Amino acid sequence: DAGVIQSPRHEVTEMGQEVTLRCKPISGHDYLFWYRQTMMRGLELLIYFNNNVPIDDSGMPEDRFSAKMPNASFSTLKIQPSEPRDSAVYFCASRYGTKETQYFGPGTRLLVL
Amino acid sequence: QKEVEQNSGPLSVPEGAIASLNCTYSDRGSQSFFWYRQYSGKSPELIMFIYSNGDKEDGRFTAQLNKASQYVSLLIRDSQPSDSATYLCAVKPGGYNKLIFGAGTRLAVHP
Repeated sequence: DAGVIQSPRHEVTEMGQEVTLRCKPISGHDYLFWYRQTMMRGLELLIYFNNNVPIDDSGMPEDRFSAKMPNASFSTLKIQPSEPRDSAVYFCASRYGTKETQYFGPGTRLLVL
Repeated sequence: QKEVEQNSGPLSVPEGAIASLNCTYSDRGSQSFFWYRQYSGKSPELIMFIYSNGDKEDGRFTAQLNKASQYVSLLIRDSQPSDSATYLCAVKPGGYNKLIFGAGTRLAVHP
C-alpha cells in the first residue's frame, strides 16, 4: 500500500511568492494532520481535519497560512505571501479512526529566500 | 513552560548498552503517550505508545509511564548503531485528537 504522499519534496521560492503544498493521505484514513518542523520550534501541529472538515487550526501561525481538504484523498497547505521564516519541513500525516498510529509523509522541505 | 519537555542531547551510548530517554509533560489530563523515532532527513515513525502507568515492552523497547510524576521514558536495550536517531516524545491531551511533540532527544550509539 502506498503511504502518505506529499508534493513537492523540495521547494525553493522567493519571499512574497505563493507556495502550495500537497498531500494525499493513506486510502481510508479519515484524519489528516499538517505539521511544521524547524530546529528552533520542533514539530508543531498546524491544523487537522476529520472527514475533510477542519477541526483544530489553532496552530496555524497567521492569516498567510490556509489549508483545505476538498475530498478524502487530497489536501493543500497554502502560504501567501511566503516569508523567509516560513522555511521549514512541512509534514502531512494521516490516521484511521480511533487507531493511535499516525503515518507521516516524507515531508516537503521549503526554503523561502 | 513547554507542554512536553525532553533533553535535546546528544545522548551517547556504546553499542550493546541500555539507552534511557526521558520526557515530562505539563497537562495532567493527558491520556496517551507516544515515542516516535526520526532518522536524519526522514519523517517520524511510531515506535510505541502507552496509556497506563507502568511498563510496556515491545522487543528491545520498553516505555515507562508515571502519571503522578508526569513522566514517560523509553528504554532501548542492546542499543545498536542503527538506533542512532532523534526520539520524539508526544502526548495526546485529554479530550483532544491531536499530539503535542517534544523537541526530541538525539541518540548516538557508537560501536
